[in-house]
Amino acid sequence: EVRLLESGGGLVQPGGSLRLSCAASGFTFSSYSMSWVRQAPETGLEWVSTITDSGASTYYADSVKGRFTISRDNSKKTLYLQMNSLRAEDTAVYYCAKRVGFYFDSWGQGTLVTVSS
Amino acid sequence: QSALTQPRSVSGSPGQSVTVSCTGTSSDVGAYNYVSWYQQHPGKAPKLLIYDVNKGPSGVPDRFSGSKSGNTASLTISGLQAEDEADYYCCSHAGSPTYWVFGGGTKLTVL
Repeated sequence: EVRLLESGGGLVQPGGSLRLSCAASGFTFSSYSMSWVRQAPETGLEWVSTITDSGASTYYADSVKGRFTISRDNSKKTLYLQMNSLRAEDTAVYYCAKRVGFYFDSWGQGTLVTVSS
Repeated sequence: QSALTQPRSVSGSPGQSVTVSCTGTSSDVGAYNYVSWYQQHPGKAPKLLIYDVNKGPSGVPDRFSGSKSGNTASLTISGLQAEDEADYYCCSHAGSPTYWVFGGGTKLTVL
């Protein structure tokens, strides 16, 4: 069974930083691209970033480009999202998701990030 | 404002069929057969229902089906059941530099 467990969320002040982690199990982590998708309170889903299986290529939404960095450690089966220069509009539940082809077939339960002073 | 347009809500009675539309552009829905649909119950993670426009993952009832015409994709749920009450999101690949776009979500109420 695929399991994705996010951690690292919390309350941070505007301009601050946070690093999210996603521990994966139940599949060959190093064989799949992984993504972060977020959901602001009472709103829809927004794709944030994707990293290829080897980590060689990364992709970002315009809204986070230059501020967020996605990475992975295949030996630890863990996905990361380093978030810098955080803004109020980054407040959301952040989900990690396993990408297959052009869709997301498995999702974690999410971790809440709140950016507020 | 979300990139893909969905109705905010739809409703139906048990046993009936409902269709949720998802309208994009010639750069996303119209350009690729990579539309996926996700179901989300309150406080839960999204769950994949349909991928590549009309393919269903194993374990998803065949009451859920997808289709596409031009820039509009659709999710049809037949034989509505109480447990189908949830939010539904469409998603389309959009190529570089946007990559993936989601709809704003549709709340399904089973009357």
